[in-house]
Amino acid sequence: DAGVIQSPRHEVTEMGQEVTLRCKPISGHDYLFWYRQTMMRGLELLIYFNNNVPIDDSGMPEDRFSAKMPNASFSTLKIQPSEPRDSAVYFCASSGNRGIREKLFFGSGTQLSVL
Amino acid sequence: RKEVEQDPGPFNVPEGATVAFNCTYSNSASQSFFWYRQDCRKEPKLLMSVYSSGNEDGRFTAQLNRASQYISLLIRDSKLSDSATYLCVAPTNAGKSTFGDGTTLTVKP
Repeated sequence: DAGVIQSPRHEVTEMGQEVTLRCKPISGHDYLFWYRQTMMRGLELLIYFNNNVPIDDSGMPEDRFSAKMPNASFSTLKIQPSEPRDSAVYFCASSGNRGIREKLFFGSGTQLSVL
Repeated sequence: RKEVEQDPGPFNVPEGATVAFNCTYSNSASQSFFWYRQDCRKEPKLLMSVYSSGNEDGRFTAQLNRASQYISLLIRDSKLSDSATYLCVAPTNAGKSTFGDGTTLTVKP
C-alpha cells in the first residue's frame, strides 16, 4: 500500500502566482480531506469529499481557494492568486467507507511558502 | 466555541512520569473519537481509537465521558520518544473530521 501521496513536497512561489497542490488517496478510500496547518491556527479542515463529491467546504478561507476531485484517485487544491498568508503545510488525508468510524491516513504534506 | 478543544499545554514531564491530556467536543452526536500523534514536521498518525467507554494499548489509555463530552489520553511511564504533539478528533455523523489544536508533550531525561 503506497499510502496517501501528495505532490509537490515543497513549493516556493511569489505572491500572485497560481499554486496547485495534488493528492492521490489510498485506493478504495471514499473520503478525502484537505487540511492546512500553521503555528497560529493549528490543523484546519478546508474541505472534504465523499465519493468525489464535495460535502463541506466551509473551511475554505476565501474564493482564492478551490478544490476538485475529478475521480476517485486524484484531487487538487488550487490557490489563485496566492498570498504570503497562505504559507503553511497542506495535508491531504483519506479514509475508508465506514464513515465516521474510520481513521484518517495522511499524506506527507506540501510545505508552501509564498514570498 | 470550537468543535474540539484541548488542553493548551505544553506539558514538560520527566521520564517515567504519568501524564494525562483532556479533549472536549461540542457535537453530542459524535460516536467515535481518535487520538493522533504528530512529530515535528511530520504528518499526524493515528495513536488510538475510542468507540465506547475507553481503550487501552500498552502504556496508553484513552477514556470517553459522554455525559461531560470529553475524552482523555493517559500515558504511563513516559519515554523520551513520547515527545510529540497529541491531537484529538471527534468526527461528526457526516464524516467531518475537525481536529483540536493539539497538546505538546516534552519528556525530559
